[in-house]
Amino acid sequence: AQTVTQSQPEMSVQEAETVTLSCTYDTSESDYYLFWYKQPPSRQMILVIRQEAYKQQNATENRFSVNFQKAAKSFSLKISDSQLGDAAMYFCAYRPFGSNYKLTFGKGTLLTVNP
Amino acid sequence: NAGVTQTPKFQVLKTGQSMTLQCAQDMNHEYMSWYRQDPGMGLRLIHYSVGAGITDQGEVPNGYNVSRSTTEDFPLRLLSAAPSQTSVYFCASSYSGYTEAFFGQGTRLTVV
Repeated sequence: AQTVTQSQPEMSVQEAETVTLSCTYDTSESDYYLFWYKQPPSRQMILVIRQEAYKQQNATENRFSVNFQKAAKSFSLKISDSQLGDAAMYFCAYRPFGSNYKLTFGKGTLLTVNP
Repeated sequence: NAGVTQTPKFQVLKTGQSMTLQCAQDMNHEYMSWYRQDPGMGLRLIHYSVGAGITDQGEVPNGYNVSRSTTEDFPLRLLSAAPSQTSVYFCASSYSGYTEAFFGQGTRLTVV
């Protein structure tokens, strides 16, 4: 079974600084997707970024980027120029390629942004 | 375009009561699923559906029933609520097995 591990239950960052959230996963599949979701206090799950395992290039979305290391099964999220609105719970998630829809989530990292 | 709509947003039940959490999507997505979120546990898959008339169990299906009679709706039924089912429930939908999931706002359920 696939597992996703987020080893940092909590992280904090100063406004305008950079922070990296860690995620590792375990799978025997060769093709899959990885996601980072953000959950602010409103409880809404918001997709931040996605990465296809067959793509070697790391995904980026504005201030958010990932460091995808397939051999190491590592998928970290870097948030640059952190803003107060980035404060939230962040979940790493895994999904096999073309699966009948099964997302496996990590336990989350609570990010605090200090002004 | 409403996306994924869950009702109710909050609910308190007594042990042994039954209820249905509603989920509807207007994006013509084939894939729908239910997750529960507990503190320190992340989101865990309860049941999922790959199309109307097709459902299957996820990681934590016990105590829950689902059916999918239309593409739009995917209700989750608790037949006899237990305190262990106190949680936040999320419904999600996806166009295919290759695209990201869209989530509803969640239902906070408390069983006393």
